[in-house]
Amino acid sequence: EVQLVESGGGLIQPGGSLRLSCAASGFTVSSNYMSWVRQAPGKGLEWVSVIYSGGSTYYADSVKGRFTISRDNSKNTLYLQMNSLRAEDTAVYYCATYGFFDYWGQGTLVTVSS
Amino acid sequence: QLVLTQSPSASASLGASVKLTCTLSSGHSSYAIAWHQQQPEKGPRYLMKLNSDGSHSKGDGIPDRFSGSSSGAERYLTISSLQSEDEADYYCQTWGTGIRGVFGGGTKLTVL
Repeated sequence: EVQLVESGGGLIQPGGSLRLSCAASGFTVSSNYMSWVRQAPGKGLEWVSVIYSGGSTYYADSVKGRFTISRDNSKNTLYLQMNSLRAEDTAVYYCATYGFFDYWGQGTLVTVSS
Repeated sequence: QLVLTQSPSASASLGASVKLTCTLSSGHSSYAIAWHQQQPEKGPRYLMKLNSDGSHSKGDGIPDRFSGSSSGAERYLTISSLQSEDEADYYCQTWGTGIRGVFGGGTKLTVL
C-alpha cells in the first residue's frame, strides 16, 4: 500500500527557512515522479515542484530560486527546502507521486508570519 | 500558455447525477488531465486520469459512480447516484510545457 507522510511544517518568520519531509512507503521514491503541491488557506491547489526519477527538477515561478526539492534514496524520503520564506508561502504543503498525482499525503501546514 | 478552466460551483440533488467540466485552453485539446476530489478538511484524492479520446483509468477504490469523458478541449467528470460524501471540491490537473504542473481553479459541488 502506497503511503506518504509529510512533516516539518510550523510557524516561521518572514525570511526564515524550513525543510519539509515526505516519508514514502509501498513504492520507491527514486523510481517515480515526486511532487510538492500547496494550498493557501481558502484557495485552490498550486503545483510547487517536481523531481523526476532521473533527478531532473522543476519549479513554479513563484518559488524558483528559493525552494529546492531533493530526495534521500536510502530513507525513501522526499524533501522541500524552503528559504527566504514570505507571507504568501503560507499554505498546507502536500507531497504527491506518480505522473498525475495518483497518491497524496495528508499535508503539513506552513505559516509564515511575524 | 496552458490554462484549465472550471466553473466555481455546481449543485445537484441527492441521488441525481452531475457533470463537471474542465476546459483546456486553445491549442491544448489533445492533453490528458486528471480529476482530484478534496472533501472538506481533507487532503486531495486522485479520482482518475482522463485522455482526449475519453478513455480513463481510475484510482484505487474509486466507485463506478465516477466516470470521465472528453469532447474536443473539454474534459468531463460525471458523478451518478450522488451521495452526501460527494460534496467536495473537484480539481482538474495536467502538465504544461516546460514541465509545469497546472491545476484548474476547482469546482465546489453542493449536494442538495
